Amino acid sequence: AQSVTQLGSHVSVSEGALVLLRCNYSSSVPPYLFWYVQYPNQGLQLLLKYTTGATLVKGINGFEAEFKKSETSFHLTKPSAHMSDAAEYFCAVSVNFNKFYFGSGTKLNVKP
Amino acid sequence: IAGITQAPTSQILAAGRRMTLRCTQDMRHNAMYWYRQDLGLGLRLIHYSNTAGTTGKGEVPDGYSVSRANTDDFPLTLASAVPSQTSVYFCASSGGSYNEQFFGPGTRLTVL
Repeated sequence: AQSVTQLGSHVSVSEGALVLLRCNYSSSVPPYLFWYVQYPNQGLQLLLKYTTGATLVKGINGFEAEFKKSETSFHLTKPSAHMSDAAEYFCAVSVNFNKFYFGSGTKLNVKP
Repeated sequence: IAGITQAPTSQILAAGRRMTLRCTQDMRHNAMYWYRQDLGLGLRLIHYSNTAGTTGKGEVPDGYSVSRANTDDFPLTLASAVPSQTSVYFCASSGGSYNEQFFGPGTRLTVL
């Protein structure tokens, strides 16, 4: 069975500080992994994805994530937070065509 | 149209009424999905369709039905709305090689 766990429903950082949003997954087969961002009153937008190949993937807005198979993790990072990064972030795993599992989300607050 | 559109944007509905949420995509994606988003629960899959003419049940299908008469449209129907169906509903589609999903802007439904 597949599942996604996001540690911390709320994360608060200061502007300019490191952003680290945690995601762990369980999957019986090699997964495809995704991070989505949701701004208030909007749909989800794809930030980045891991499919195969390089385990460090770079996405939009300076975000990146590293697939660590041994730790079953796909944590999202950004070296320096910006006020515009305040949003809710969802980690997701997909193992076949119609099965897409989302974490419960992490709301990122950026303090000035 | 560019991407996925949903209608209405929001709706207040009396319990027991029938309601259809509309979803249209112009990306010619084969797969489409309906999710509901509730606070603290992330996104939960209601129904999906791998291709026109086929549909399947997701994690929380009870009280909802879907149809997929053509590639572009994937309406979600609540036959007799109940207050527990108060939620934000997102339609998504997928057609890429790695299953990434594209989301509509959502419909905010309140059942009183």
